[in-house]
Amino acid sequence: DTAVSQTPKYLVTQMGNDKSIKCEQNLGHDTMYWYKQDSKKFLKIMFSYNNKELIINETVPNRFSPKSPDKAHLNLHINSLELGDSAVYFCASSQDLKVAGGLGADTQYFGPGTRLTVL
Amino acid sequence: KNQVEQSPQSLIILEGKNCTLQCNYTVSPFSNLRWYKQDTGRGPVSLTIMTFSENTKSNGRYTATLDADTKQSSLHITASQLSDSASYICVVSFNMNYGGATNKLIFGTGTLLAVQP
Repeated sequence: DTAVSQTPKYLVTQMGNDKSIKCEQNLGHDTMYWYKQDSKKFLKIMFSYNNKELIINETVPNRFSPKSPDKAHLNLHINSLELGDSAVYFCASSQDLKVAGGLGADTQYFGPGTRLTVL
Repeated sequence: KNQVEQSPQSLIILEGKNCTLQCNYTVSPFSNLRWYKQDTGRGPVSLTIMTFSENTKSNGRYTATLDADTKQSSLHITASQLSDSASYICVVSFNMNYGGATNKLIFGTGTLLAVQP
């Protein structure tokens, strides 16, 4: 059973296009995240949602818009794609600390990643 | 500024040998420190997690240490195996100011380990 899944795994598109990446978790977690991993393998958080509410919104261009239809899904829509958007995007989820408590209860579980290539 | 720095950037060792990876951080207020393993083409997977009161934590052949005073951590891998080849990422977290629903994680740049036969 896949805990955190993302689609598509690979996405190749032209500059200026609009694309979406979907993420789903079946762990019953309340919090979901989007991370961007650049060519130097540095992981940087983009967004975090807790129970469908936006919690973390780092300095990300407003061309990136997350959407959470329910707490099991957090999709990432990207408008007007640019060359610099090429990266691997990881979705992750964790429990709500207020509910779970305890060390490690908020361990993040990552999806397999989506490799986006903008030509 | 909250930062996590790791060294070395990359490391090559022979199968069966031990190695130690380093992590220095300036994150404050500190909540906990984690080590993640990321296989090529996969998402990171948690190996260990420690609070400021813990000095060491083991997970099989992986042993993490933490010195909260000097803000340093290390990950020691014993009797390395080919499957240990991966990127190892040090992650330091602190609670955000909205009721503690989520820890904000600061990721290091990782150490790329290659274990050769």
